[in-house]
Amino acid sequence: QSVLTQTPSVSAAPGQKVTISCSGTSSNIGNDFVSWYQQLPGTAPKLLIYDNNKRPSGIPDRFSGSKSGTSATLGITGLQTGDEADYYCGAWDSSLSSVVFGGGTKLTVL
Amino acid sequence: EVQLLESGGGLVQPGGSLRLSCTASGFTFSIYAMSWVRQAPGKGLEWVSGISGGGGNIYYADSVKGRFTISRDNSKNTLYLQMDRLGAEDTALYFCAKAPSWAARAVYPIGDWGQGTLVTASS
Repeated sequence: QSVLTQTPSVSAAPGQKVTISCSGTSSNIGNDFVSWYQQLPGTAPKLLIYDNNKRPSGIPDRFSGSKSGTSATLGITGLQTGDEADYYCGAWDSSLSSVVFGGGTKLTVL
Repeated sequence: EVQLLESGGGLVQPGGSLRLSCTASGFTFSIYAMSWVRQAPGKGLEWVSGISGGGGNIYYADSVKGRFTISRDNSKNTLYLQMDRLGAEDTALYFCAKAPSWAARAVYPIGDWGQGTLVTASS
């Protein structure tokens, strides 16, 4: 059972927009920045969003992040088949003194 | 270019021990906080442990506390994870990961990841 809660799967057509949600508590999302990671099939995860809504160099602006209270959202616009992946949210949990992840959301681009 | 190369994985009997290593290159290793993150087959990510650049701050997930020990040798640019009393629940791909350049001293967020080394605890 993951500390952060994510919907297991989402799907959308190419070119469309999708949102992926992540829910936590006042000890993690409510108290610190949220990050998002993309894991393409058979590869290592990659940092997609940090500090709730910032993109590392090289990440296209089709990817965006937001946070409100104890929930966060990853948005992806102009969906491409290459975006099919598992997406994980992450945060620092001050009660556990550890990094926590969501269970992951599998994105299917139909 | 940042490179993180994990090694030391393999098959171990339940109750046994294993030591993982992560050799880093392409950045000033001693400055950066490092972590181990694992992924059981077909499952999600689970953070295991993190250590600050100088080794003075160490953190563990509750699931491994008292059984796993993280350490680093900055003279060898190498991160370690000593795993004792392994059980079937520890079977996973173990990733070595570093802090991003803009938050080098913090265990979180996680910036760069290695490709992982597979640990299988089974009789």
